[in-house]
Amino acid sequence: DAKTTQPPSMDCAEGRAANLPCNHSTISGNEYVYWYRQIHSQGPQYIIHGLKNNETNEMASLIITEDRKSSTLILPHATLRDTAVYYCIVRGIIQGAQKLVFGQGTRLTINP
Amino acid sequence: NAGVTQTPKFQVLKTGQSMTLQCAQDMNHEYMSWYRQDPGMGLRLIHYSVGAGITDQGEVPNGYNVSRSTTEDFPLRLLSAAPSQTSVYFCASSYWVPPYEQYFGPGTRLTVT
Repeated sequence: DAKTTQPPSMDCAEGRAANLPCNHSTISGNEYVYWYRQIHSQGPQYIIHGLKNNETNEMASLIITEDRKSSTLILPHATLRDTAVYYCIVRGIIQGAQKLVFGQGTRLTINP
Repeated sequence: NAGVTQTPKFQVLKTGQSMTLQCAQDMNHEYMSWYRQDPGMGLRLIHYSVGAGITDQGEVPNGYNVSRSTTEDFPLRLLSAAPSQTSVYFCASSYWVPPYEQYFGPGTRLTVT
């Protein structure tokens, strides 16, 4: 599986866009990029995923570079409830893809 | 639709005791799994199942047993608890088709003394 690299922590002001980077330079052609987050003491929550194209849903946008070696999760109008650890995970779609491997993630703090 | 439920929320065991952590989902997901999370660390996969009657080991399976007799339930058994098993345990489920987005339960906080 492709390894991911994320900054250990980030801060963002409430109401601003939070941009969380992820490097996955060894990603292969059939591997998706997934983002999950974990709010303190809760179970992880799925946010979004993508393969090649940029994706948007009600929670966030995912921007994947053309070479697919990095991506950025964008929370367009961050609120205090978005304070959490954000995990970027790369997995293929072959059998066993559900076996998510969580790294250390990025601890995002939204400041009032 | 309750999603993924876990019981109990909290549990304290003495070394050597046994117990079962319960996990249930009502989304008809084929895939279910158990993770543990230790302070300051990411989640580590213990066991998983791709359907009733089928289970397999994750990266940290020692000391834990699982079985999957129904689609809905996936209990995790600790046969002889050890202090090293003090952790927060999360159960997750997903469909067996892409994109495999997983739904997690609220967790069980286990302390072994």
